Amino acid sequence: DAEITQSPRHKITETGRQVTLACHQTWNHNNMFWYRQDLGHGLRLIHYSYGVQDTNKGEVSDGYSVSRSNTEDLPLTLESAASSQTSVYFCASSERAEGTEAFFGQGTRLTVV
Amino acid sequence: GQNIDQPTEMTATEGAIVQINCTYQTSGFNGLFWYQQHAGEAPTFLSYNVLDGLEEKGRFSSFLSRSKGYSYLLLKELQMKDSASYLCAVMDSNYQLIWGAGTKLIIKP
Repeated sequence: DAEITQSPRHKITETGRQVTLACHQTWNHNNMFWYRQDLGHGLRLIHYSYGVQDTNKGEVSDGYSVSRSNTEDLPLTLESAASSQTSVYFCASSERAEGTEAFFGQGTRLTVV
Repeated sequence: GQNIDQPTEMTATEGAIVQINCTYQTSGFNGLFWYQQHAGEAPTFLSYNVLDGLEEKGRFSSFLSRSKGYSYLLLKELQMKDSASYLCAVMDSNYQLIWGAGTKLIIKP
C-alpha cells in the first residue's frame, strides 16, 4: 500500500543546531507540504512543492528550508533551531492542487531546548 | 485577512447526534474539507464540499453554504471512537489550505 512516512517521530535538539526532518511518500504525488501544528492554532503551512525542483514558501517559512530532488522526498531543514520551533511537524502529499484530499504522515514531535 | 472559526471543544453522549460548525472568511474559495485527528495521530480525510448542499457518507454528513461562508459536520450515532479533533479547512484562490484550529469532541458514555 502507498504511504507517507516521516522520520524521526521524536527529536530533541539544542538551540542553534541544524536539524533535518525527513518525509518520504510512495503515492507518486507531485504535491508535497510541510505544516506545523501548535496548540490553539490550525495547521500552518511552512513550505510546499508542486514537483521536482519546485519549492515555495508558506505562511511561516522563516528559519526553514526544503529541497525537492525527486518525487518521493521533501526534507525539511531548520537552519538554526530556536525554541519557538518546538512543535509537531506534519508532512502531507496530494495528487492535485485542487479538490483532492491530502494524505498526512504520522508527524514529528520536535523539542528545541 | 483569512479566518476559519470553529468551536474549541464540544461534548456529546454516545449514540447521540452532534453538529460541529465552521465559518470562514477567505480570499477565494475552491472547496472545504473536514479532517479527523485522534490525539497524537495524523489528520485523516473525512469529506469535501465545493457546491452548496449536504454530502452524506455513512454516519457523517457535511453541509456547505458558500453565500454564508458556513459549513457543518454532522456526526450521527456517536461512538466512543469518534472522540477526536475535527479540523475544518478551506482551499483559497491560490489552492492553499487555510485551517481552523480544530474542535475537540469529547464523547461520554
